[in-house]
Amino acid sequence: GEEVAQTPKHLVRGEGQKAKLYCAPIKGHSYVFWYQQVLKNEFKFLISFQNENVFDETGMPKERFSAKCLPNSPCSLEIQATKLEDSAVYFCASSQSLGLTNYGYTFGSGTRLTVV
Amino acid sequence: KQEVTQIPAALSVPEGENLVLNCSFTDSAIYNLQWFRQDPGKGLTSLLLIQSSQREQTSGRLNASLDKSSGRSTLYIAASQPGDSATYLCAGTFYNQGGKLIFGQGTELSVKP
Repeated sequence: GEEVAQTPKHLVRGEGQKAKLYCAPIKGHSYVFWYQQVLKNEFKFLISFQNENVFDETGMPKERFSAKCLPNSPCSLEIQATKLEDSAVYFCASSQSLGLTNYGYTFGSGTRLTVV
Repeated sequence: KQEVTQIPAALSVPEGENLVLNCSFTDSAIYNLQWFRQDPGKGLTSLLLIQSSQREQTSGRLNASLDKSSGRSTLYIAASQPGDSATYLCAGTFYNQGGKLIFGQGTELSVKP
């Protein structure tokens, strides 16, 4: 399809519980990026993949966050032992390339995670 | 460290007015710059993408420009409509940054009927 599909749209977790978010990139797109929007407009880069390989994970809080992109499966972002500060909207984006040419990024509609 | 800044944070205009949104970046080694629109509670919709070799792009009532030497991009919206009300974000990709987007803080636009 021509859209990036993120599920679920909303997720509520008690502090300390696990949260798992999914992203199906556009078919044919080799690159997947995850971003976290905490405050109204502040986007923080988390991690990127080139196909199933981690490309850049410099933004990941490694102690509790992990992510995967396996063949023939949606990509996933998992947060172990969620904290209140993890409450945010998590966006996934995909692209044919690294955005270094004339290909831009297509974003999903996001997953709103609320930790209570 | 690359930074992207958008000013003002919020803008309110009457319907029909032409307006310009501003975006500045600290690193001239920019690959491309993308303008997005975000409606409340929604995802990002890509509006225009300008490559570093280009100076502007147009789509309908929207025109985006890029000036690498001054570190600035502008988004021009002609004949604004209430339906244009949204938050507009600019984001750039830069050399040696692995292709990730670096976002500005956004400008929240309100077009009054």
